[in-house]
Formats: sequence, structure tokens, C-alpha cells
Amino acid sequence: DGGITQSPKYLFRKEGQNVTLSCEQNLNHDAMYWYRQDPGQGLRLIYYSQIVNDFQKGDIAEGYSVSREKKESFPLTVTSAQKNPTAFYLCASSPLGQGTFTDTQYFGPGTRLTVL
Amino acid sequence: GQNIDQPTEMTATEGAIVQINCTYQTSGFNGLFWYQQHAGEAPTFLSYNVLDGLEEKGRFSSFLSRSKGYSYLLLKELQMKDSASYLCAVMDSNYQLIWGAGTKLIIKP
Repeated sequence: DGGITQSPKYLFRKEGQNVTLSCEQNLNHDAMYWYRQDPGQGLRLIYYSQIVNDFQKGDIAEGYSVSREKKESFPLTVTSAQKNPTAFYLCASSPLGQGTFTDTQYFGPGTRLTVL
Repeated sequence: GQNIDQPTEMTATEGAIVQINCTYQTSGFNGLFWYQQHAGEAPTFLSYNVLDGLEEKGRFSSFLSRSKGYSYLLLKELQMKDSASYLCAVMDSNYQLIWGAGTKLIIKP
């Protein structure tokens, strides 16, 4: 079955520690995205990548880093520089049809990160 | 700036019809998406509109008016499982999705 997987579903970390959230897709999609979701707010884009070995900052990239060494994988590291990291993190991918129906983003199940 | 507005919360009765509105102001327009998100889960795609008019898909329909910067999602024959948040998102001229905060829909028996 094709899809997007994120692990783990719940993650607890101590303040000051870096943590890496995994995202894998087997949909053969070109583009991958990381969003953060906080209560009462829309999804906010952290980083996105349209091609292997290239990625772009989104609206709230500070305190986060990513890599795209393989088409299937787009891990997100939440660094100690992120002031308020506790949130629900969603990874998505899309075929990159450039403004058509095929640009639909499909989401993984999410990782809820709690920093203690 | 870019802005998507949706009501924060709506309540409806099982078996009824509900309309969730979305207004937008964005830099360019390359389509509008509706997603459903159950609590603690990932958003799932419902519909995509890029031309004016109504798109019907089973119990769900989505309408778009580009001149008014307005869309609505219409849910018919409401079921308890339709209790969820409904997210409106617009793709701007840079092909980036701008997301609304979502409308929490509560279905009562």
C-alpha cells in the first residue's frame, strides 16, 4: 500500500535537546512538506522540498532543519533553538503538478512532540 | 497579507445539512482545497476547486466564486462520523498552500 509514514506518533523530549522526526513516502511524489499545527491556528509551513538535495524555508523555519537525501525521505530536526517546540507536526507530499488537481497534498499521521 | 477566514465552530444535527464558509485574500489563486481532519489525526483531502461553480462528490459539495474570494463546503445527510474540523486552503501564485484555522463541526444526535 502506498502512503506516508511518520514516526513516532508521540515523542517526549527534555528542553534543550535536539530531536528528529521521521517522514517516509512510497507514493513516488516529488514534493514533500513539513507543517506545524497549534490549537486554533492554521497549518504553518516549516520547510518544503521539490527535489532531492534541495529544500526551501517556509514561514516558520527558525529553529528547525531538514535534509532530502532520498526522494522517499524528508526528516525534520527540531533544534534547541526552537523557542516553543511543543506541537503537532505533519508531513505531507504531493506529485507537484504545478497548480492543478495533482498538486493535492497527502498527509502522514503526524507526530505529537511534547518538550518537558 | 494573505488571509483565509472560516468560522471557528459550528453545530448541526444528525441528518441535516450544513454549509461551512471560507473567504480568502491571497496573492494570486491556483485553486482551493477542502480537507477533513478528525481530532489528533492527519487531514484528508475532500475537494479541489479552481473554476467557479459547484463540485459535487457524494454527500459533500464544494462551491467557488473567484470574483468574491469565497468558497463553501456543503455537507448533506450529516452523520456522527462527520464530526471533525474542516480546513480550507488556497494555493497562491507561488503554488504555496495558505491554510485557514479550520472549522470544528459538532454533530448532535
